[in-house]
Amino acid sequence: NAGVTQTPKFQVLKTGQSMTLQCAQDMNHNSMYWYRQDPGMGLRLIYYSASEGTTDKGEVPNGYNVSRLNKREFSLRLESAAPSQTSVYFCASSEVRYPQPQHFGDGTRLSIL
Amino acid sequence: AQTVTQSQPEMSVQEAETVTLSCTYDTSESDYYLFWYKQPPSRQMILVIRQEAYKQQNATENRFSVNFQKAAKSFSLKISDSQLGDAAMYFCAYRSARGVLNNDMRFGAGTRLTVKP
Repeated sequence: NAGVTQTPKFQVLKTGQSMTLQCAQDMNHNSMYWYRQDPGMGLRLIYYSASEGTTDKGEVPNGYNVSRLNKREFSLRLESAAPSQTSVYFCASSEVRYPQPQHFGDGTRLSIL
Repeated sequence: AQTVTQSQPEMSVQEAETVTLSCTYDTSESDYYLFWYKQPPSRQMILVIRQEAYKQQNATENRFSVNFQKAAKSFSLKISDSQLGDAAMYFCAYRSARGVLNNDMRFGAGTRLTVKP
């Protein structure tokens, strides 16, 4: 019963370094999402992938890129990390049939110094 | 754009008592879905309850129930017989039912619930 698996769970980067956060789901869901969670702001959508082969920007996409590698995997890349990207990152997946909720991974705590 | 507001940053409740968490949202759409998620210290996001806007009947899941007031755009969560394990951050979330917008879930800022023994 893995559900949504994110790696790594914690990471510390220096400003300007690059990093890829990995996400995989085993529920055969079509849609996958990346969120960031900041104190007092709830979760905000960075990018999503409605289906394999498609990706779209969410509310806060600047400074990030994504790749939907296959149906199972959806990665988030920070090309040149900035302190403002210090956050907890969540990956989620869902079916497109309504009103299916999103299933979340356990999050990645990312600190950029 | 849709916005979700949780006006109570923190709430506390005595064990075995009832507490209500507030959520309001702003939308021009008529068809949408509302959710409450629980986030314990483990950081997991756990679905508590969901409500379809076209349904008049309020959703219930064991000790959890909602008061959905569509005209007022209000979606409060009631937790009955509170337990120590209910202590967590609670997030209200909105999801459009329309096309590509269905992929965009908007979250409130959260309410931290403390349960006192």
